[in-house]
Amino acid sequence: DQQVKQNSPSLSVQEGRISILNCDYTNSMFDYFLWYKKYPAEGPTFLISISSIKDKNEDGRFTVFLNKSAKHLSLHIVPSQPGDSAVYFCAASASSTNAGKSTFGDGTTLTVKP
Amino acid sequence: KAGVTQTPRYLIKTRGQQVTLSCSPISGHRSVSWYQQTPGQGLQFLFEYFSETQRNKGNFPGRFSGRQFSNSRSEMNVSTLELGDSALYLCASGQGANTGELFFGEGSRLTVL
Repeated sequence: DQQVKQNSPSLSVQEGRISILNCDYTNSMFDYFLWYKKYPAEGPTFLISISSIKDKNEDGRFTVFLNKSAKHLSLHIVPSQPGDSAVYFCAASASSTNAGKSTFGDGTTLTVKP
Repeated sequence: KAGVTQTPRYLIKTRGQQVTLSCSPISGHRSVSWYQQTPGQGLQFLFEYFSETQRNKGNFPGRFSGRQFSNSRSEMNVSTLELGDSALYLCASGQGANTGELFFGEGSRLTVL
């Protein structure tokens, strides 16, 4: 039973447009959510996080939205740049103190075309 | 500040052998987690160590084990290797008790023949 799902394996957008990556989870104990970006031959790097007490968190071009009742979160990248092309992983944990034990989705490969 | 360092980066083993992977976390970080990534899959949690104690454990067989030393460096061991153990093994360190985001190393790519 996959507790964190990223239903779109890939997404292609034009440079300058918005990229929206989606993530669904099933475990209602999850209380802290993170997005990571991974380039080939590198480890994932942290992008942005959100705790369940918020429904939105912004950091520059990246915004994460959380809909707790729907158990759904999304990552918006505006405007998208070719350098954003990477695999994006959604992750969830029971709390920020327990993020060492995160449950990850399978990832979405984002391609931003110039 | 140096990042998370994993060694070796690549290794090839045969079935039945055992392997030890090493991870040096970011200086000052006390939490070290290990994840397995197989092709097309997300990261599967193996275990987490904090102050030399295993704090969390994932759903992997007992062939997978780990430990953490007093300097926060960590090792993971896989015994009696199987073909399905071929994967990228990622180590991540966290800042402390309030772990927050993880800082990943580049991984150790294990191929089992």
